Amino acid sequence: SQTIHQWPATLVQPVGSPLSLECTVEGTSNPNLYWYRQAAGRGLQLLFYSVGIGQISSEVPQNLSASRPQDRQFILSSKKLLLSDSGFYLCASQGLAGQETQYFGPGTRLLVL
Amino acid sequence: QQQVKQSPQSLIVQKGGISIINCAYENTAFDYFPWYQQFPGKGPALLIAIRPDVSEKKEGRFTISFNKSAKQFSLHIMDSQPGDSATYFCAGEDSWGKFQFGAGTQVVVTP
Repeated sequence: SQTIHQWPATLVQPVGSPLSLECTVEGTSNPNLYWYRQAAGRGLQLLFYSVGIGQISSEVPQNLSASRPQDRQFILSSKKLLLSDSGFYLCASQGLAGQETQYFGPGTRLLVL
Repeated sequence: QQQVKQSPQSLIVQKGGISIINCAYENTAFDYFPWYQQFPGKGPALLIAIRPDVSEKKEGRFTISFNKSAKQFSLHIMDSQPGDSATYFCAGEDSWGKFQFGAGTQVVVTP
């Protein structure tokens, strides 16, 4: 099975500061990768997904961006954080589209002050 | 457009009771229906899943019932335990790997 690593686990950042969250995957090759955001007590909002290196699709317009520099590395970034960017960010990986489920990482809790 | 509608939003059940969570979907291209369990501060973890060629799947105390004609599926937690207190998400996946998640149900099992 897959193992998804995310770091940092917790992050407190001032408004207007940059952001970089990293996700790496073990146990599979050429996975589909996903970034979700989860507000407190709420559901999962898909932010970005990627089917390969350099291939990123955005689901929601926002001041966040994603990149996939390597097959099993997915990065979520922002140039200037907003208060509304606070939340729980989850990376997910799917080994074979349509044949395997999505596996989630442990998440990064981001608090923007 | 919410393609997977989940209810109830929250649920309180006594220890030993049955927890039932329902989901309804619209996309007939969905061919895989997983349930995830999420504890506070953790990522969701796959609990149990079903494909539409079966009407029921049971794993331990957890059972999925699936009604293809009604486009509905449900999770039953038998003999609920305090350790089952968590948020549960249903989802549907199409053959291209696109997932749609329900809004989640917070389950609290009282001692």
